[in-house]
Amino acid sequence: AAGVIQSPRHLIKEKRETATLKCYPIPRHDTVYWYQQGPGQDPQFLISFYEKMQSDKGSIPDRFSAQQFSDYHSELNMSSLELGDSALYFCASSHSDRGPTDTQYFGPGTRLTVL
Amino acid sequence: EDQVTQSPEALRLQEGESSSLNCSYTVSGLRGLFWYRQDPGKGPEFLFTLYSAGEEKEKERLKATLTKKESFLHITAPKPEDSATYLCAVVSGTYKYIFGTGTRLKVLA
Repeated sequence: AAGVIQSPRHLIKEKRETATLKCYPIPRHDTVYWYQQGPGQDPQFLISFYEKMQSDKGSIPDRFSAQQFSDYHSELNMSSLELGDSALYFCASSHSDRGPTDTQYFGPGTRLTVL
Repeated sequence: EDQVTQSPEALRLQEGESSSLNCSYTVSGLRGLFWYRQDPGKGPEFLFTLYSAGEEKEKERLKATLTKKESFLHITAPKPEDSATYLCAVVSGTYKYIFGTGTRLKVLA
């Protein structure tokens, strides 16, 4: 079965640079979620989109922005990168047949390293 | 404030030694509880969804149960390949996933 696709899988950036992470949800899934996971920590919710509109917002820094496109893929844009942004970034997708309690399926993640 | 606590933080088992992982929650109106398995450096892999107290789900050596205050993930006769971090997440009235900090399971051959 098709899974969530994330690209790139690894990304190395310098401080103050910009990064763009991409997420392709499972076909027919209309909701995308972004999470940040630091070493030894649980995933922290950043932001979500439903039918191309922002549906919820978590602890996403103002330096970050995201959007969902007409083909349902999503991009997380991160500017003025800081050392503390180094983490695993996961995208998850779900199909809204039960509303907010839909099961989220996670991608393999993008490991971002800021030097 | 909504809270999810998992215990133990870490667990070492011998192969074949059954045990249970706990996920306790304090949320305003549980809408769903989810179990995931996560291997190092990889995305969480979905295991189970539970929606109401009394519900049980099974898959191979794993069985998840739910009460009004907690969920258990029972592992029967575990194998080394079951070694991973097991995450529990709940959805309450805020509609966001609230993750616990996970239980790191190590199964020794």
